[in-house]
Amino acid sequence: DTEVTQTPKHLVMGMTNKKSLKCEQHMGHRAMYWYKQKAKKPPELMFVYSYEKLSINESVPSRFSPECPNSSLLNLHLHALQPEDSALYLCASSLLGSRYNEQFFGPGTRLTVL
Amino acid sequence: GENVEQHPSTLSVQEGDSAVIKCTYSDSASNYFPWYKQELGKRPQLIIDIRSNVGEKKDQRIAVTLNKTAKHFSLHITETQPEDSAVYFCAARNSWGKLQFGAGTQVVVTP
Repeated sequence: DTEVTQTPKHLVMGMTNKKSLKCEQHMGHRAMYWYKQKAKKPPELMFVYSYEKLSINESVPSRFSPECPNSSLLNLHLHALQPEDSALYLCASSLLGSRYNEQFFGPGTRLTVL
Repeated sequence: GENVEQHPSTLSVQEGDSAVIKCTYSDSASNYFPWYKQELGKRPQLIIDIRSNVGEKKDQRIAVTLNKTAKHFSLHITETQPEDSAVYFCAARNSWGKLQFGAGTQVVVTP
């Protein structure tokens, strides 16, 4: 298995809803990432997990809550989002131990906040 | 922190011609420079990368050059084909391991 998978593909939610995005990989990667991508813009790093521990939080608002239950899974819990949070949310993973390791991206979840 | 600038923002080329995209970075400690291609509605995919101890790398029609002194690197696509149409992002990995992306280049290859 050489892919990063994400569910759901699309998500529409209201500002009072609570939802979760899921990401999974079985490549043995011990680094996992959440990125946010707006239309026609590059991916922006949100969070990094290394060995299932949060190692980087890019000052993301607390309405986004990441979780890494095990080495293959990464979740992003969403609560009280704003319309400006509508974007493509990309998960990525990579090996650890070298600064040259490729980041593999998942297909993303297209989120719309109404 | 690292700042990566990418030019041009859009690039139109005739099929068969070459395309060149240029990036500059600010963190002299950056030592890994990947290039991603993102087709409409798809995920970013790595097409080529280069390490700071290498000046040039080639893979079929794609090549990347790196000038560490000037802190710039470039992507060259030769004999462009319609399927090369996409957004291309350069990136630099800084000393903390974070990938900083350029703003992207929309490449359109016209038959």
